[in-house]
Amino acid sequence: GENVEQHPSTLSVQEGDSAVIKCTYSDSASNYFPWYKQELGKGPQLIIDIRSNVGEKKDQRIAVTLNKTAKHFSLHITETQPEDSAVYFCAAPVGNSGGGADGLTFGKGTHLIIQP
Amino acid sequence: DTGVSQDPRHKITKRGQNVTFRCDPISEHNRLYWYRQTLGQGPEFLTYFQNEAQLEKSRLLSDRFSAERPKGSFSTLEIQRTEQGDSAMYLCASSLAVGGYTFGSGTRLTVV
Repeated sequence: GENVEQHPSTLSVQEGDSAVIKCTYSDSASNYFPWYKQELGKGPQLIIDIRSNVGEKKDQRIAVTLNKTAKHFSLHITETQPEDSAVYFCAAPVGNSGGGADGLTFGKGTHLIIQP
Repeated sequence: DTGVSQDPRHKITKRGQNVTFRCDPISEHNRLYWYRQTLGQGPEFLTYFQNEAQLEKSRLLSDRFSAERPKGSFSTLEIQRTEQGDSAMYLCASSLAVGGYTFGSGTRLTVV
């Protein structure tokens, strides 16, 4: 099955600086890679995702990059704001479909702290 | 509210008791997923349904766990003979197509 490793476990950055969180995966058949943000007491919220036919996707201050050869993908947050403080999870498909229809394997999470 | 709804939000039960959680997905979503999340960890996949059919079950889902989605709409997750190790947040998610899951806020189970 899929194995997802996420680093770092905690990341503290100054407000306005950029934050980068990295994940690696093991199954070369995987072709869907989402990122989720989870705030205290809430369920994870999808913030951006990427499919393997593109190398980068951007949505305002958030971007995701994918390197299929190296089997890693990264979340980039620019101009960080206090409301970006949360736990962020990467994920990759579990099962044989590669596309996530059979469920997702999540990383262990990164606690992002934005220092004022 | 058009999101994924889970009930109850919190449940405290004594070891050995049975508990049942309910999930109401987004109405047009045909896929429904159950995950378990313990403190400091990412969600762990338990099982999923496409319409009323249960298509995949993780090895984490012991025989004390059972999930149903009788009419392809809401789903229930039952845990029989609860153990302290079952204490966790149980998350439900739904989706219409591949990817793009919407999660509920979860049911926090505490077994004492």
